[in-house]
Amino acid sequence: QVQLQESGPGRVKPSETLSLTCTVSGDSITNNRYYWGWIRQPPGKGLEWIGTLYYTGSSYPSPSLSSRVSMSIDPSKNQFSLQLTSVSAADTALYYCARCPRDDSWTGYPASWGQGTLVTVSS
Amino acid sequence: SHDLTQPPSVSVSPGQTATITCSGDALSTKYASWYQQKSGQAPVLVIHADTKRPSEIPERISGSASGTMATLTITAAQVEDEAVYYCFSPDSSGSHGAFGGGTKLTVL
Repeated sequence: QVQLQESGPGRVKPSETLSLTCTVSGDSITNNRYYWGWIRQPPGKGLEWIGTLYYTGSSYPSPSLSSRVSMSIDPSKNQFSLQLTSVSAADTALYYCARCPRDDSWTGYPASWGQGTLVTVSS
Repeated sequence: SHDLTQPPSVSVSPGQTATITCSGDALSTKYASWYQQKSGQAPVLVIHADTKRPSEIPERISGSASGTMATLTITAAQVEDEAVYYCFSPDSSGSHGAFGGGTKLTVL
């Protein structure tokens, strides 16, 4: 059974870069049946899709975040990562990573989720 | 932009059928998936590919789709089904995803 665990600093200062890592166990991140995704949820609000990436390095970020988002994959550590630049209070959220089975899209659908990590943007 | 619209809330009595809709242009060509999120917990996939249910999800939860609308149906809803439900789909190009705004289901 796959497990995903997000990790990273719980607080980031405005204008700095948010960096998170998702460690995958129970499956290989190079499994070509899946994409790997990031989703966030501001406190008390709904889910927002950030983007997905494939083990080849191809990534598909949300158009609303694409200018600030980069995603990468590290097969040697079975991890994938998210970087979000120039953060503001609006980026305060619970950040989830997910395993997304491939379908007829380049996003897949988030099927297995981590427990989430809260990131607060504050000076 | 890729928008998915859900009603903010649905309320039913125990044993009744709850219906939650999700509308969006992309749904005419892309599959919808549905997620249940209980308070303080991570979302759980309950339906994918419009109608497919993971084995661990109760049979009373089902999905359907027609045109630009996907529907989640919970037959004989129970108090334990109280949660916020989100739909998700890729956009028409398949390159970007989006969630609906979420529907809070109350069973009482």
